[in-house]
Amino acid sequence: GAVVSQHPSWVICKSGTSVKIECRSLDFQATTMFWYRQFPKQSLMLMATSNEGSKATYEQGVEKDKFLINHASLTLSTLTVTSAHPEDSSFYICSARGGGPKVYFGPGTRLTVL
Amino acid sequence: AQKITQTQPGMFVQEKEAVTLDCTYDTSDQSYGLFWYKQPSSGEMIFLIYQGSYDEQNATEGRYSLNFQKARKSANLVISASQLGDSAMYFCAMGDSGGGADGLTFGKGTHLIIQP
Repeated sequence: GAVVSQHPSWVICKSGTSVKIECRSLDFQATTMFWYRQFPKQSLMLMATSNEGSKATYEQGVEKDKFLINHASLTLSTLTVTSAHPEDSSFYICSARGGGPKVYFGPGTRLTVL
Repeated sequence: AQKITQTQPGMFVQEKEAVTLDCTYDTSDQSYGLFWYKQPSSGEMIFLIYQGSYDEQNATEGRYSLNFQKARKSANLVISASQLGDSAMYFCAMGDSGGGADGLTFGKGTHLIIQP
């Protein structure tokens, strides 16, 4: 199946700093990628849709100025958590469709903000 | 709006038994797709199976099959001959069935534990 990678797999940062997470489709081109957030023992919640060459679409309640998304190419989307705070600590996962209806997820990034 | 309901927070099953994980959905869309994912403790989301709303036959992928009952709006996952490695969280999800413009809506998940 299609492969989606994420980097880093985990990150610890101080409160107030910014963190960038990369999502790459390794063997296919993705005009659309998706970013999800998962708090402990909860389900995945869609944060935003990342569109190559245009602005991201954010779900209701997600601060677009805090979670900056850039879809620079057909294989790369980045999520930057700006001025991170402890409540932003979570598991962030990206996904993409590799042609057809199947949706593939990256391995996730565990963010801990101290 | 789409909604996914998984009513089983946790399940204990004996190894080698078959398992059915429940999933019901609600949508006003005529065309949609239903997905099941496995999430082990590592956190990765492993794609298991997909069913399109217009697919007449139930989807099967190895030991996984999807019992799709459109009139009842249910899409239960059946795992045959369960193995210890099947222990994980299982999520049912819904999305569009076509070009992938929409993200997925997930249920709350079922924590499956396979006992030897």
